[in-house]
Amino acid sequence: QLQLQESGPGLVKPSETLSLTCTVSGGSISTSDYYWGWIRQPPGQGLEWIASIHYSGSTYYNPSLKSRVTISVDTSKNQFSLKVNSVTAADTAVYYCARCYSRTSCYFVYWGQGALVTVSS
Amino acid sequence: DIQMTQSPSTLSASVGDRVTITCRASQSISVWLAWYQQKSGKAPKLLIYKASNLESGVPSRFSGSGSGTEFTLTISSLQPDDFATYYCQQYTSYSGTFGQGTKVEIK
Repeated sequence: QLQLQESGPGLVKPSETLSLTCTVSGGSISTSDYYWGWIRQPPGQGLEWIASIHYSGSTYYNPSLKSRVTISVDTSKNQFSLKVNSVTAADTAVYYCARCYSRTSCYFVYWGQGALVTVSS
Repeated sequence: DIQMTQSPSTLSASVGDRVTITCRASQSISVWLAWYQQKSGKAPKLLIYKASNLESGVPSRFSGSGSGTEFTLTISSLQPDDFATYYCQQYTSYSGTFGQGTKVEIK
């Protein structure tokens, strides 16, 4: 059974960089069949797709976040990561990692449990 | 960018009611639409993909329809476990915009 687990600091100071890692178990990230993604959800609000990546390094970003976000993959560790630069309180959210259904259809079947990141001094 | 608009934002219903949630896309997305259910503190759960295909293990009281710009999620007979928030998501061109959500509350 595929499992995803987010990890990273739960508290980040304003203007600093938020960094999260998603560790995949029960399957390999190095398959041509899937994209892997990050989605976030501010407290009490809806879901926002952030970015997706293929193990080959091909990436797609939400245009509204693209200037501040970097998604990357480490196949040796079966992980992919997210960095958000210059964070503000508006970046406070639960961050989920997830796997797209396929390479061409990026709806999400498998999700991590989510990691709350608070931006505060 | 493709925008997704759900209606209503909140819906009050009773057990046994037929419930319909609408999702509209700002431009045609063919049938590239998914529906999710989310309960408090949990990750979303996939219900429907490609507008009308039921995900394995999802009860048959859930159904989806539509194409182009207008889509619906229907729960034929609302059960106590169905009180939750529902989201649509378009997945064209490797982007994945979600609707703002519809909260289904107990009437």
